[in-house]
Amino acid sequence: GENVEQHPSTLSVQEGDSAVIKCTYSDSASNYFPWYKQELGKGPQLIIDIRSNVGEKKDQRIAVTLNKTAKHFSLHITETQPEDSAVYFCAASGGGYQKVTFGTGTKLQVIP
Amino acid sequence: NAGVTQTPKFQVLKTGQSMTLQCAQDMNHNSMYWYRQDPGMGLRLIYYSASEGTTDKGEVPNGYNVSRLNKREFSLRLESAAPSQTSVYFCASSVGQVVNTIYFGEGSWLTVV
Repeated sequence: GENVEQHPSTLSVQEGDSAVIKCTYSDSASNYFPWYKQELGKGPQLIIDIRSNVGEKKDQRIAVTLNKTAKHFSLHITETQPEDSAVYFCAASGGGYQKVTFGTGTKLQVIP
Repeated sequence: NAGVTQTPKFQVLKTGQSMTLQCAQDMNHNSMYWYRQDPGMGLRLIYYSASEGTTDKGEVPNGYNVSRLNKREFSLRLESAAPSQTSVYFCASSVGQVVNTIYFGEGSWLTVV
């Protein structure tokens, strides 16, 4: 089955700096890569996703890049704000029934 | 529009007790899921239901059973709770089998003592 590794497990940045979270996946058939944000006491919520026919996608301060050859994808948050503090999960999915495999999460702390 | 609603939010069980976590979605989604979240382990799939009338095991199904009661509702049952089942449980749903956004509930905090 699919295996998704996520790094780092914790990340602290100063407000206004950029944050980068990296993930690798094992199944070359995976073709959908979502990122979820989980605020304290809440369920995860999709913030951005990318499909395998696209190398990069941006949405305001958030961007995701995908390198299918190397089987890794990354989340980039620019101009970080305190409200970006949360746990972020990457995930990979593809083929057949929808079975999304999640990474282990990155706890991002933005220091004012 | 409530999205995915799960109950109870908090529960303490004694080892060996049984309980059912309830979940309902109002988005007319075909697929529903139960995940558990443990520190350092991320989100692990327990069971899923690709469509009404079908259920399948996920990554960590042992000790759990599920019922897809109708298109809206998907329950998770612990027949004989064990301390290893102390976790946060999330119900989720998505439109269907084609890969797309998963919508999560708020979570149920379960402690087994």
